[in-house]
Amino acid sequence: ETGVTQSPTHLIKTRGQQVTLRCSSQSGHNTVSWYQQALGQGPQFIFQYYREEENGRGNFPPRFSGLQFPNYSSELNVNALELDDSALYLCASSLSMDETQYFGPGTRLLVL
Amino acid sequence: AQSVSQHNHHVILSEAASLELGCNYSYGGTVNLFWYVQYPGQHLQLLLKYFSGDPLVKGIKGFEAEFIKSKFSFNLRKPSVQWSDTAEYFCAVNAGNNRKLIWGLGTSLAVNP
Repeated sequence: ETGVTQSPTHLIKTRGQQVTLRCSSQSGHNTVSWYQQALGQGPQFIFQYYREEENGRGNFPPRFSGLQFPNYSSELNVNALELDDSALYLCASSLSMDETQYFGPGTRLLVL
Repeated sequence: AQSVSQHNHHVILSEAASLELGCNYSYGGTVNLFWYVQYPGQHLQLLLKYFSGDPLVKGIKGFEAEFIKSKFSFNLRKPSVQWSDTAEYFCAVNAGNNRKLIWGLGTSLAVNP
């Protein structure tokens, strides 16, 4: 059974640029959640996708957007990057909306 | 607003010592509770979870947690820690119909051999 994978592992961008992060969910999982984890903090919920529809959103501005594809993989897009967007971005998949979430290794984003 | 508090940010123990990490949440209704662990250089892994039933939950690697509804607590325990338990421990809560997991700030545990 393949676990959750994310790409890229590391990324460096400059302010104002746009970034796309990718996540492949665990086999059989139809729900993907995205989190932002700043250094020394717990993860903060960005949004969740269930069967290609957004199914809950945290306190993040609209420049954070996402997609889920028919194979349940997902993308997180961030426009107009700001320095404070520097963080570890985590993707988690689950069998369904309220089931246990399994995490990928994360993408570490640095905005200069 | 819903929140999760982890009381200990940094804990240092010697091998064979007992461990208890505190976790309290603020929400009056039905909750699902989780403890995740992040070993150095690895991704977050589920340690144990509580959805319903027996409030004493046993997880992997000898960890257990007790849900005390009256205290809004879900403390993590292990009777005898090992050096390999050195990691960051996170408590998380999924409350009501909200789909998001709310996380504590984490507790960094260092176990000296």
